[in-house]
Amino acid sequence: EVQLVQSGAEVKKPGESLKISCKGSGYSFTNYWIGWVRQMPGKGLEWMGIIYPGDSDTRYSPAFHSPSFRGQVTISADKSITTAYLQWSNLKDSDTAMYYCATPSLVGGRIIRIDHWGQGTLVTVSS
Amino acid sequence: QSALTQPPSASGSPGQSVTISCTGTSSDVGGYNSVSWYQQHPGKAPKVVIYEVSERPSGVPDRFSGSKSGNTASLTVSGLQAEDEADYYCSSYADSNNLGVFGGGTKLTVL
Repeated sequence: EVQLVQSGAEVKKPGESLKISCKGSGYSFTNYWIGWVRQMPGKGLEWMGIIYPGDSDTRYSPAFHSPSFRGQVTISADKSITTAYLQWSNLKDSDTAMYYCATPSLVGGRIIRIDHWGQGTLVTVSS
Repeated sequence: QSALTQPPSASGSPGQSVTISCTGTSSDVGGYNSVSWYQQHPGKAPKVVIYEVSERPSGVPDRFSGSKSGNTASLTVSGLQAEDEADYYCSSYADSNNLGVFGGGTKLTVL
């Protein structure tokens, strides 16, 4: 059974850094894309980025990796412990959201569906 | 503002059918067959119910069906049941974002 288990809820202050995790099990972690989806309070879903742990190929949604985006996010993975990460260097109030890790299926380079989801990590940023 | 437009709410009585629309452009929904739909119950992670416009993952009841016409995709839930009450999100590959874009979500209420 595929499982994605995320780290617990976090409460941080603006300007702080943070790294949350997602441990995959029950499948070949190295050979499948894994990524992060943001859901702001009462809002819809947004892809942030995905990574292929086998070769660390990483793709970001334009909204989360533009040169002007302060508090830039970084997606990484450690295949030795089958864990993916999402980190911030400079949190903002607007980063308050639920963050889901998820495994998308790609065909021809396009995501056709999201097969598995973690339970979500709630990040609250407040002074 | 979401890239894809969904009605904020939809409703139907048990046993009835309801259709939720998802409108985009020729650069996303209309240009590709990579449209998927997700069901999200309160406090839970989403779950895929339709992918590639009309394909149903194993385990999803055949009461769920999908279609597309031009720049608009649709999700139909037939024989509504109480457990179908949830938020539904569409998603599509897009020229503007190679990871895909989502709709704003539709809250389906079973009356």
